[in-house]
Amino acid sequence: KNEVEQSPQNLTAQEGEFITINCSYSVGISALHWLQQHPGGGIVSLFMLSSGKKKHGRLIATINIQEKHSSLHITASHPRDSAVYICAVSTQETSGSRLTFGEGTQLTVNP
Amino acid sequence: DTAVSQTPKYLVTQMGNDKSIKCEQNLGHDTMYWYKQDSKKFLKIMFSYNNKELIINETVPNRFSPKSPDKAHLNLHINSLELGDSAVYFCASSQGFGGSSPLHFGNGTRLTVT
Repeated sequence: KNEVEQSPQNLTAQEGEFITINCSYSVGISALHWLQQHPGGGIVSLFMLSSGKKKHGRLIATINIQEKHSSLHITASHPRDSAVYICAVSTQETSGSRLTFGEGTQLTVNP
Repeated sequence: DTAVSQTPKYLVTQMGNDKSIKCEQNLGHDTMYWYKQDSKKFLKIMFSYNNKELIINETVPNRFSPKSPDKAHLNLHINSLELGDSAVYFCASSQGFGGSSPLHFGNGTRLTVT
């Protein structure tokens, strides 16, 4: 079982819909990252958070440390939001800090 | 200006060859990484360097050797390429160590071994 689980694996929505992608993890973390991978392959960091909630434009990320759960919300979705969204957690180990990635959620927003 | 640039973007080569992928960042970051993304789009850390010092070395065949000549560069050399090495390799950098600050990724190098 992966330390980081995302759901759903695939998500298809109509333009304008409110979208939620979930991420659960099973280890103690120092931070959680949400990444976006465009169809062309490039990866962009959307959020890094360790508590509470962050907002950037139509994107909102929340984290509940006690429940080991984070959500990424997209309001008023648009076809250009179509991408793979990846959750990653930062864990502290004796060898240093490392990131562990979820398998990603493929989002398709249809016009 | 490209923050993290890696070259080449595509690399097609035959089994047994040796190849290198170069990465440079102009963000002044202390930490650089190599990640491998397999055909299922799953990202996995390979190496992490902090101030030119190797910090993380995952269970990667020793055919893979990272080299960091300075803080701004982290190159990946692969010897005796195998079919299973085919993947997309991403370079990344961050100011802080590990996952304590946002990551900046290069555009990836798609390696195809035939």
